[in-house]
Amino acid sequence: AQRVTQPEKLLSVFKGAPVELKCNYSYSGSPELFWYVQYSRQRLQLLLRHISRESIKGFTADLNKGETSFHLKKPFAQEEDSAMYYCALSGLGGETSGSRLTFGEGTQLTVNP
Amino acid sequence: EPEVTQTPSHQVTQMGQEVILRCVPISNHLYFYWYRQILGQKVEFLVSFYNNEISEKSEIFDDQFSVERPDGSNFTLKIRSTKLEDSAMYFCASTWGRSSYEQYFGPGTRLTVT
Repeated sequence: AQRVTQPEKLLSVFKGAPVELKCNYSYSGSPELFWYVQYSRQRLQLLLRHISRESIKGFTADLNKGETSFHLKKPFAQEEDSAMYYCALSGLGGETSGSRLTFGEGTQLTVNP
Repeated sequence: EPEVTQTPSHQVTQMGQEVILRCVPISNHLYFYWYRQILGQKVEFLVSFYNNEISEKSEIFDDQFSVERPDGSNFTLKIRSTKLEDSAMYFCASTWGRSSYEQYFGPGTRLTVT
């Protein structure tokens, strides 16, 4: 079974402070991990995926298979980072199957001025 | 940039009525999904669709639900006889490939069952 846990529903930091949004997962195979973000009144959109190993808007996330974690980090938070962040997992389906996303509960990040 | 669109943005219906939620995925995408989010809860997978048939469905997707891609552009979710607990935000998503490919989400349809 696929499961994603985000332990913090709410996270509040001050502008310029480091931020870390936690994500732990459970999956028997090799998962694909993603962070999706939803800004106020906007649609869910991909922030980053572990396979790309990229930094987007200053955010990075490292897949730690030993700890089954995929925490999202940013060294200096900005006010425009305030949003709902969802960690998501996808398994590799069969040839004709899609790959369902299993979402965590989400963390509402507020960056205060 | 192409976007997934969904109509209507808000649908109010009475318990027991049928509703159809519509989505227009991005044109060259091959995999299509419906998710829902009950207020205050996580986004949950309902169904995936590929090559004109359901490829996977969750336990939520029972006989009351059906999906269709009637004309090669629209992707619809039908709920035959709505229940109060069907009240949720319904998101359509599409993607070009499986697994590591980004799923592009629509803005959602808020379904309210009274």
